[in-house]
Amino acid sequence: DQQVKQNSPSLSVQEGRISILNCDYTNSMFDYFLWYKKYPAEGPTFLISISSIKDKNEDGRFTVFLNKSAKHLSLHIVPSQPGDSAVYFCAASGISNFGNEKLTFGTGTRLTIIP
Amino acid sequence: DSGVTQTPKHLITATGQRVTLRCSPRSGDLSVYWYQQSLDQGLQFLIQYYNGEERAKGNILERFSAQQFPDLHSELNLSSLELGDSALYFCASSERGTANEKLFFGSGTQLSVL
Repeated sequence: DQQVKQNSPSLSVQEGRISILNCDYTNSMFDYFLWYKKYPAEGPTFLISISSIKDKNEDGRFTVFLNKSAKHLSLHIVPSQPGDSAVYFCAASGISNFGNEKLTFGTGTRLTIIP
Repeated sequence: DSGVTQTPKHLITATGQRVTLRCSPRSGDLSVYWYQQSLDQGLQFLIQYYNGEERAKGNILERFSAQQFPDLHSELNLSSLELGDSALYFCASSERGTANEKLFFGSGTQLSVL
């Protein structure tokens, strides 16, 4: 049961353009959402987060949008840079199906920035 | 560098064997998490410890066990290994172990079961 879904396994974007990565979730108990970025041979690193009481959070070139009614969030990167090429994981926290609080990750989207 | 250390980086073993993965959390972090990433899969939560006690359990198989020691390092034991256990195993740590904290991940242990 994949509660956090990233339906696009990969995405290619021209350098300087906007990258939009999407994430859908099914568990209405999720109340906090995070994006992690992963380079090859490294562990994921935290990028940006958003609480369910907000619909937007911005940090430099990165903005996360949350649409609670659609159970959808997206990460916008603008302008995209070659160093942004990585795998991006969406994650959500809240009461899980196991009855405890934990972070649930999506399957990731591989973003490639084309110079 | 996240400050989380995982050893070994690579492990090759045979079916039926037992292995131990080790994790040292970031200085000051009391909580340790273990995640499994199989091919084309997201990060699957296995188990969480906080200050030596198990706090949360995910999709961890009965053949797998973990513990967190008084010095806060953690070990994940995988036994009766099967081909399907081949995966990248990540350890992460956080200060308080609450769900909204950002996690700091190690670089992972790549396990190959032949």
